[in-house]
Amino acid sequence: GNSVTQMEGPVTLSEEAFLTINCTYTATGYPSLFWYVQYPGEGLQLLLKATKADDKGSNKGFEATYRKETTSFHLEKGSVQVSDSAVYFCMNTGFQKLVFGTGTRLLVSP
Amino acid sequence: EADIYQTPRYLVIGTGKKITLECSQTMGHDKMYWYQQDPGMELHLIHYSYGVNSTEKGDLSSESTVSRIRTEHFPLTLESARPSHTSQYLCASSVYNEQFFGPGTRLTVL
Repeated sequence: GNSVTQMEGPVTLSEEAFLTINCTYTATGYPSLFWYVQYPGEGLQLLLKATKADDKGSNKGFEATYRKETTSFHLEKGSVQVSDSAVYFCMNTGFQKLVFGTGTRLLVSP
Repeated sequence: EADIYQTPRYLVIGTGKKITLECSQTMGHDKMYWYQQDPGMELHLIHYSYGVNSTEKGDLSSESTVSRIRTEHFPLTLESARPSHTSQYLCASSVYNEQFFGPGTRLTVL
């Protein structure tokens, strides 16, 4: 079946630091992979996605590459801002079953 | 722009009350979902629907019920609320596996 494993948080960084949030997956079939972000008091918003192996999703300075050989979809950003403080969820789809990771809280200090 | 609405945003009620959490979307999506989000952030799927008159229970057992009489409307009902139902409830709709989330309802049962 499908599963997602995310690194546990919180991840605490200073502004302008490099960010990596790890996500690995298992899946049957050919899943699409997503990163969602949840700001305080809000629902989840799509951050980026990749639908096939070697695709790179990118948005707002965030990037993630769909790596089939390592079954990974790690989220990266070169220089984080205080406004990036939020909870980030990795998601995997395969055969119509959607699976979310447990979420990783990012805290960015000035 | 994707529009999915949830009301109320916040609700505080006493034990034993019947409540309905409303969810509506204007995108014409067939698939809709209800998630319960615990304080540790993890999302638990409690109900989903693939179209009108279709409803299924999710991965987490829930004492709530749902209905899908119209494509745009997917309400969730608790017949007798208990303190253990205190949580954040998120509604979502999807197309091509991309999920669109409402802002959530934060429910507190005293």
